[in-house]
Amino acid sequence: DAKTTQPTSMDCAEGRAANLPCNHSTISGNEYVYWYRQIHSQGPQYIIHGLKNNETNEMASLIITEDRKSSTLILPHATLRDTAVYYCIVRVGAGGSYIPTFGRGTSLIVHP
Amino acid sequence: DTEVTQTPKHLVMGMTNKKSLKCEQHMGHRAMYWYKQKAKKPPELMFVYSYEKLSINESVPSRFSPECPNSSLLNLHLHALQPEDSALYLCASSPRRPGMNTEAFFGQGTRLTVV
Repeated sequence: DAKTTQPTSMDCAEGRAANLPCNHSTISGNEYVYWYRQIHSQGPQYIIHGLKNNETNEMASLIITEDRKSSTLILPHATLRDTAVYYCIVRVGAGGSYIPTFGRGTSLIVHP
Repeated sequence: DTEVTQTPKHLVMGMTNKKSLKCEQHMGHRAMYWYKQKAKKPPELMFVYSYEKLSINESVPSRFSPECPNSSLLNLHLHALQPEDSALYLCASSPRRPGMNTEAFFGQGTRLTVV
């Protein structure tokens, strides 16, 4: 199973870009990287996923290194509402499953 | 409709009670999941249903009994719970079966307190 390593916590000023790193050095060639976040007392929310190429949607951008051993989630203009725990997830489980299996994640605090 | 709806939002039950949590989605998703989340911890997977059949049980005690009556509905029946079972119970669904590349959509959870 590919494992992920994320910093425990980060902070960011409102309006600035938040860059959240994730290491997944044991990732296999056909495994996607998924990002979710969980705002306090709410259910987790899917953000974005990618395989090799950089991806962008209305919420965030995902930058995956060429060797695919790490990735960075970018929130281009963080707001106070982006304060949440961010989870980086890769394929886990026998037979390869994308069932979200959450580690500790990164607690992002966006301050005024 | 892009929502996973969980009811009730809050539930208080005694240790001898029987209660049920309900989860509903109308997105045509064929995979549904139950998670348990204790305070300040990440969600932990409990059960997975794929095409209305139970495919994964993460060694959950029998006092938790899942049921998938149809492709839109997932229940979690609770009986003889303990105070340590108090937690946020989350339901999720995926458009594709878990072995395929797929994102999951989560409900807002049921906050359960066992007294």
